[in-house]
Amino acid sequence: DAGVTQSPTHLIKTRGQQVTLRCSPISGHKSVSWYQQVLGQGPQFIFQYYEKEERGRGNFPDRFSARQFPNYSSELNVNALLLGDSALYLCASSLGTSGQGSYEQYFGPGTRLTVT
Amino acid sequence: DQQVKQNSPSLSVQEGRISILNCDYTNSMFDYFLWYKKYPAEGPTFLISISSIKDKNEDGRFTVFLNKSAKHLSLHIVPSQPGDSAVYFCAASKRQTGANNLFFGTGTRLTVIP
Repeated sequence: DAGVTQSPTHLIKTRGQQVTLRCSPISGHKSVSWYQQVLGQGPQFIFQYYEKEERGRGNFPDRFSARQFPNYSSELNVNALLLGDSALYLCASSLGTSGQGSYEQYFGPGTRLTVT
Repeated sequence: DQQVKQNSPSLSVQEGRISILNCDYTNSMFDYFLWYKKYPAEGPTFLISISSIKDKNEDGRFTVFLNKSAKHLSLHIVPSQPGDSAVYFCAASKRQTGANNLFFGTGTRLTVIP
């Protein structure tokens, strides 16, 4: 079975530009979460979506937005990129947001974003 | 404010011996805990989890212990193998809030020496 997939693998952008990252969850998983991991730190929660609705948002500015599609795939958008947005962006999927089997999240390989 | 802490950035262990990775948390609302392993250029891989109603969970070579009163958990790997060399992250969630987003520690780099 395919795991969580993310695209692109790497991305280089210039300050002020906009970027879109994509994620496909494990088949059967209806919830997708996005995390940002900067060097030397653990992943930090950005967004969670379930059944196309936002279910949670971390402490990130409004420049960050996301959406989930009917097939449960998701996009993360970041506008007006700053140098500090350079990080590994991880997507994770889970069966749901609550209930049996929903509490383990399974991560994709990530998208490495470099802002110059 | 780091709610999940891993105070040891690195740990080296001989092959065949026990590896013990530690994690502390500050938020008493956390009721589900997970350990992930991460290799370079890969996403975190789920290892093992434990609910706050238990104090131990075992899966093969991996055992997680939870001490709620101390707000402390640990991951034991026995016996350690060179392939276990990776960065290990402790994570916590607040199931009772109906959400499952994870709060991560900063990770411990485990090196298993052959």
